[in-house]
Amino acid sequence: IAGITQAPTSQILAAGRSMTLRCTQDMRHNAMYWYRQDLGLGLRLIHYSNTAGTTGKGEVPDGYSVSRANTDDFPLTLASAVPSQTSVYFCASSETSGSTDEQFFGPGTRLTVL
Amino acid sequence: GQNIDQPTEMTATEGAIVQINCTYQTSGFNGLFWYQQHAGEAPTFLSYNVLDGLEEKGRFSSFLSRSKGYSYLLLKELQMKDSASYLCAVRDSNYQLIWGAGTKLIIKP
Repeated sequence: IAGITQAPTSQILAAGRSMTLRCTQDMRHNAMYWYRQDLGLGLRLIHYSNTAGTTGKGEVPDGYSVSRANTDDFPLTLASAVPSQTSVYFCASSETSGSTDEQFFGPGTRLTVL
Repeated sequence: GQNIDQPTEMTATEGAIVQINCTYQTSGFNGLFWYQQHAGEAPTFLSYNVLDGLEEKGRFSSFLSRSKGYSYLLLKELQMKDSASYLCAVRDSNYQLIWGAGTKLIIKP
């Protein structure tokens, strides 16, 4: 089934623990993105990757890291979670990072840090 | 700074027409997107404008005025399934999307 998958669907995490959110796409898209969505705020870009092997920082990168070892996978790691990282996390992809390319979103991961 | 403004919430009646406005101030402009997001779900693409004017796609139309930093999404013949949040996003000079907080549209019978 073509699209983007994310895992887990939801997670409760103790503060100070680490966690990796997984994202996989099978559309052979070059560009991938991680956003967080908080109530009353727009989607905010955490990190992005324009192509396999490269990554870049978005608007709110602190406390998060990413890697892009291949085209399909783009995991997001929280090294030491804090309560302010409680959010819904969306992974997205687009064919390229060009101006006309729409982004396709995964179903999201709801993370609660206590 | 960069800013995208949309109304927080709007209410409309089934079968009617509604216009959702979006104003923006960004560093550069490389297109404006509208997405629909049902509660608890992922955003899905609705429309893209890069030139001034109206783009029509079935019951949905989107308008852009670059000189005014303004766009609107027009929804016609509203159906109950149109109850959702509508997100406006602008691609800036770095080709990153800057997102508005979204407009929650409530459709009443």
